[in-house]
Amino acid sequence: QVQLVESGGGLVKPGGSLRLSCAASGFTFGSFYMSWIRQAPGKGLEWVSYISASGSTMSYADSVKGRFTISRDSSKKSLYLQMNSLRAEDTAVYYCVKERGYTYDSWGQGTLVTVSS
Amino acid sequence: EIVLTQSPGTLSLSPGEGATLSCRASQSVSSSHLAWYQQKPGQAPRLLIYGASSRATGIPDRFSGSGSGTDFTLTISRLEPEDFAVYYCHHYGSSPPITFGQGTRLEIK
Repeated sequence: QVQLVESGGGLVKPGGSLRLSCAASGFTFGSFYMSWIRQAPGKGLEWVSYISASGSTMSYADSVKGRFTISRDSSKKSLYLQMNSLRAEDTAVYYCVKERGYTYDSWGQGTLVTVSS
Repeated sequence: EIVLTQSPGTLSLSPGEGATLSCRASQSVSSSHLAWYQQKPGQAPRLLIYGASSRATGIPDRFSGSGSGTDFTLTISRLEPEDFAVYYCHHYGSSPPITFGQGTRLEIK
């Protein structure tokens, strides 16, 4: 059974940094694209970033480009999101998501990031 | 950038009734790239429909998807109490950004 467990969220001041992690199990991690998707409190879903199965291709939403970096470690079956220069509008629950084809077929439970002074 | 517009914003129905949720794209999209998700309060979203009309694993057959081009529909026949939630449509473009609709809240009348 697929499991995705996020960690690393918390309270950070504007301009600060945070690194999210996602531990994956129950599937061949190195065979699938992975993504981060976020949801601001009371709002809808927003795609943040994806990384290819090999880790050679990454893409970012314009709202985070130049500030966030996605990476993965297949030996540890882990996905990461390094978030720098954080802003109040980055406050959200961040979900680690497994891709299949053109869909997101498995989601973690999310980790809350709050950017506030 | 493709914008997905869902309607209605909120749908109030009773258990046992049928529900029709709409998702309209700002330009024609490939049906194979259109999906629907269900999200209950405090939970992560769950994949319901992929490829516009294929049910994901474990999804009851009262859920069905249809449509093509710019107009897509999620239909729920015979609403069960556990179906009251927020529903999002999603387009995975061949080039980013990847977009979601703003959601339709299905509430008990």
